[in-house]
Amino acid sequence: DIVMTQSPDSLAVSLGERATINCKSSQSLLDSFKNKNHLAWYQQKPGHPPKLLIYWASIRESGVPDRFSGGGSGTDFTLTISSLQVEDVAVYYCQQYLEVPLAFGGGTEVEV
Amino acid sequence: QVRLQQSGPGLVKPSQTLSLTCAISGDSVSSNSAAWNWVRLSPSRGLEWLGRTYYRSNWYHDYAVSVKSRITINPDTSKNQFSLHLDSVTPDDTALYFCASGWHFRDWGQGTQVTVSS
Repeated sequence: DIVMTQSPDSLAVSLGERATINCKSSQSLLDSFKNKNHLAWYQQKPGHPPKLLIYWASIRESGVPDRFSGGGSGTDFTLTISSLQVEDVAVYYCQQYLEVPLAFGGGTEVEV
Repeated sequence: QVRLQQSGPGLVKPSQTLSLTCAISGDSVSSNSAAWNWVRLSPSRGLEWLGRTYYRSNWYHDYAVSVKSRITINPDTSKNQFSLHLDSVTPDDTALYFCASGWHFRDWGQGTQVTVSS
């Protein structure tokens, strides 16, 4: 099974500053036929379902502000918030969808 | 736009079966390009994928190892919905349960807080 590991567990960032979250998979998520990484990022706020931010490692979901960006390939990925806003305070999760069992990282809590 | 509407009890007694339903609008549970999942969120486990069902000329099911002996996810084509049944629950199954569509999850149900307690 693919294991997803996020770091750090929590992150305190000043408003307007950059936040970077790391996600590492135990095996490559690169699909060589599609040349795409099966990696998604979600934002989760208390009492609400997770919100899809990024898929295929770097494709921003429609309606997601462009301060959110995803990068990386293979086993190492990052989610970057270029200029943190108060509404970005949340827990962020990565998820692999290359194979079952689908798996999430442990989450990173971003606070101001 | 796919909409998922969850229903089911929020309190289940230990050793009993947790049952939730997810009604689909804007797509078909029998779609040859969709997949229908259950995910839960708890303080101890974070987000945990539980399993899915999908149709590709036949019905297929995949389940997480952690619940494989206790879980069933069933489609209901007559009502365009799918269900989760988790047997022999314990307090460790207390969580916020979500249904979600796809492989990366764009569409989610509203969530159901399920507490396992006598």
